Amino acid sequence: DAGVIQSPRHEVTEMGQEVTLRCKPISGHDYLFWYRQTMMRGLELLIYFNNNVPIDDSGMPEDRFSAKMPNASFSTLKIQPSEPRDSAVYFCASRWTSGTDTQYFGPGTRLTVL
Amino acid sequence: EDQVTQSPEALRLQEGESSSLNCSYTVSGLRGLFWYRQDPGKGPEFLFTLYSAGEEKEKERLKATLTKKESFLHITAPKPEDSATYLCAVQARVDSGYSTLTFGKGTMLLVSP
Repeated sequence: DAGVIQSPRHEVTEMGQEVTLRCKPISGHDYLFWYRQTMMRGLELLIYFNNNVPIDDSGMPEDRFSAKMPNASFSTLKIQPSEPRDSAVYFCASRWTSGTDTQYFGPGTRLTVL
Repeated sequence: EDQVTQSPEALRLQEGESSSLNCSYTVSGLRGLFWYRQDPGKGPEFLFTLYSAGEEKEKERLKATLTKKESFLHITAPKPEDSATYLCAVQARVDSGYSTLTFGKGTMLLVSP
C-alpha cells in the first residue's frame, strides 16, 4: 500500500512568487494534516482536515497561507506571496478514524524561498 | 497549553553503548504519547504509542517507557543504523472530537562504528 505522497519534493522559488504544495493521503484515511518543520520551532501543525473539511487552521501563520482539500485523495497548501521566512520542510500526514491515533507522514517538501 | 521537552538535543554513542533519551511532557490529561524516528530528508516514521503510566513497548533494540511526567526511549547496544532524530509527541485527552499531537524538537542520535 502506498504511503502518503507529496510533491514536489524540493521547491526553490523567489520571494513574492506563489507556491503550491500537494499531498495525497493514504487511501481510506479521513484525516489529513499539514505540518511545517524548522530547526528553531520543530514540527508545527498548520491545519488539519476531517472528511475534507478544515477543522482547525489556528496554526496557519498568516493570510498568505491557505489550504484546500477538494476530495478525499488530494490536498494543497498554497503560499502567496512567499517570503524567505517561509523556507522550511512541509509535511503532510494522514490517519484513519477507525484505526489508532497514529499519524502517518509523507516524505515532505523542502521549500527554499530566495 | 501542552508542552513537550526532549533531552538531550543531540547524543553521540559508540556502537554497543546503551543509553536513554528523555521526553518530559505537560498535558492536561494524557491520551497517548508517541515516539517517531526521522531520518535525514525523510518524514517521521511511527515507532510506538504509550497510553498509561507503567506501560512499556519494545521493538528490536528500542524500548519505550512511560511515567506520569516523562517517557524514556532506551536504546540497547545501538548500531550505526539507529542513527536518526527521535521525536516525541503527546496527545491530550478530550471529551469529544480529535486532539492533535504536540511534538518535541527531537533528539539527534549518532551512533559511531
